[in-house]
Amino acid sequence: ILNVEQSPQSLHVQEGDSTNFTCSFPSSNFYALHWYRWETAKSPEALFVMTLNGDEKKKGRISATLNTKEGYSYLYIKGSQPEDSATYLCALNAGGTSYGKLTFGQGTILTVHP
Amino acid sequence: KAGVTQTPRYLIKTRGQQVTLSCSPISGHRSVSWYQQTPGQGLQFLFEYFSETQRNKGNFPGRFSGRQFSNSRSEMNVSTLELGDSALYLCASSFTSMHWHYGYTFGSGTRLTVV
Repeated sequence: ILNVEQSPQSLHVQEGDSTNFTCSFPSSNFYALHWYRWETAKSPEALFVMTLNGDEKKKGRISATLNTKEGYSYLYIKGSQPEDSATYLCALNAGGTSYGKLTFGQGTILTVHP
Repeated sequence: KAGVTQTPRYLIKTRGQQVTLSCSPISGHRSVSWYQQTPGQGLQFLFEYFSETQRNKGNFPGRFSGRQFSNSRSEMNVSTLELGDSALYLCASSFTSMHWHYGYTFGSGTRLTVV
């Protein structure tokens, strides 16, 4: 059973703060790592799909890095805004016969206070 | 283009009944996966369909089943509902199940309440 862990579970920051979250996964079972943002009452929104060790992706104020050898990914948000408040999920594709299967972490709940 | 559409959005059923949920993927997407989200468990993989074939199945009892039609639309069925089946059910579609770097697009989900 794959175990994908995210930390912290929740985070409260002030508008303008920069923040980061961690996603840990078993390095021996890796094909791709996905990051999603999930706002209340909406569908999870894809942020990044990362496949190569050392990958760095950026979308506006949000960026992510990937280390497949040690089994972790970081998500960074620069200058947090109240609209960044959401649950941030990472999910692992383990490859092999894991067709269509994402193993999700429990998520990090981010609250940005004005 | 239209996103992933799930119907119905909300559903209330009684223990012992059965329920069918529907998912219409993005046009051109042939892979559809289903997930269950409960407060304590997070998002758990149910199954994945590709070209009308179930390619992968999660660790759920046989009461949970699904199918995919030739137009890639998918349905999932839960028979003999239990209180613990109350959850948000999400489906996700992808261009193909073999090239995961394309990513997945999720629907808004069906909230099932079993009373």
